[in-house]
Amino acid sequence: ETGVTQTPRHLVMGMTNKKSLKCEQHLGHNAMYWYKQSAKKPLELMFVYNFKEQTENNSVPSRFSPECPNSSHLFLHLHTLQPEDSALYLCASSHGTSDTGELFFGEGSRLTVL
Amino acid sequence: GQNIDQPTEMTATEGAIVQINCTYQTSGFNGLFWYQQHAGEAPTFLSYNVLDGLEEKGRFSSFLSRSKGYSYLLLKELQMKDSASYLCAVRDSNYQLIWGAGTKLIIKP
Repeated sequence: ETGVTQTPRHLVMGMTNKKSLKCEQHLGHNAMYWYKQSAKKPLELMFVYNFKEQTENNSVPSRFSPECPNSSHLFLHLHTLQPEDSALYLCASSHGTSDTGELFFGEGSRLTVL
Repeated sequence: GQNIDQPTEMTATEGAIVQINCTYQTSGFNGLFWYQQHAGEAPTFLSYNVLDGLEEKGRFSSFLSRSKGYSYLLLKELQMKDSASYLCAVRDSNYQLIWGAGTKLIIKP
């Protein structure tokens, strides 16, 4: 138990569907992150939120839309995805974005796009 | 560009010692992390090095040489539960985390 909870754990969707991934952290952290993890590749940072404000968008396609209503919750809205978007999506949190503390990860949402 | 290199896969025997290497080329340096990730689970923090030298934590140790852009994770008295992927990450001058692709460690009886 890392204090970061992601739902759903598994998701299968068609290219025309709309779905959302949810992340919640119970650690009192101020920063939250979305990462994409594909087999045998480094973690790819997608979005960063610090105190609910988006501070990073790493050239992510607009079919991925993040939302951060408060410091404890983070969503990733998905629409018209492509099969190459199939991956494990990891949420993480940390005290802040400009310190040397470690990230705490959720167990991920395994996404399959058909 | 920024780059982290680590072996893709390693195999070791239960009870033995294994060293997983990580070399990095980044814009600045604000610490190096090792994470463990079991299949289907969250990556979990193992160690943090910001100064040169060896940090020991139980059966696991992590070493850093900033001048060489090099780190290793040393696992002693290997147990079957140590079978996992080990991720190396460096925080650069902008406090961005640069990740390696991970090393899958297979422990055999």
